[in-house]
Amino acid sequence: ETGVTQSPTHLIKTRGQQVTLRCSSQSGHNTVSWYQQALGQGPQFIFQYYREEENGRGNFPPRFSGLQFPNYSSELNVNALELDDSALYLCASSGGRANEKLFFGSGTQLSVL
Amino acid sequence: GESVGLHLPTLSVQEGDNSIINCAYSNSASDYFIWYKQESGKGPQFIIDIRSNMDKRQGQRVTVLLNKTVKHLSLQIAATQPGDSAVYFCAEEPSSNNNDMRFGAGTRLTVKP
Repeated sequence: ETGVTQSPTHLIKTRGQQVTLRCSSQSGHNTVSWYQQALGQGPQFIFQYYREEENGRGNFPPRFSGLQFPNYSSELNVNALELDDSALYLCASSGGRANEKLFFGSGTQLSVL
Repeated sequence: GESVGLHLPTLSVQEGDNSIINCAYSNSASDYFIWYKQESGKGPQFIIDIRSNMDKRQGQRVTVLLNKTVKHLSLQIAATQPGDSAVYFCAEEPSSNNNDMRFGAGTRLTVKP
């Protein structure tokens, strides 16, 4: 059984650029959730994808968007990067049912200069 | 809005002692809670979960207590070891429509030898 994998592990961008982060879900999982974790903070929910559709969104602007593919892998896209977007971006997968634990990847550390 | 929070940002214990990490939640509709452990450079790792129809659940060296009356959650770690040093997050599932989890700010546990 393969776990959740994310790429890249680290990324440096400049303000105004666009970035795409990738996530492969754990085998057997059809739901992917994305979180932003600023330094010293808890993960903040960005959105969730279930069967290729957005299935819930946190308090993030539209420049944060995502995709889920038929194999349940997912991308997080952020346009017009701002300095405050610097954070650890975490992907988690699950079976999509209520009361089910999320399995997290190790994250992508994004630095915006 | 309602959010998950923690009483103490840091906790330092002696190796071999028991640790208690507390969490207050305010969303009375939440019916599922998880404790996660996050080590430096890694994603959150599942420790133990509890549903709202339970008051207590035990795992290996860990116990989670849920007090719905005062909306309080705690994690007890028995015989704390140096490998337990990490940041601990409680998370709640505010809706049964999807299983996006909402996290608190975390408590850093340091185990002194």
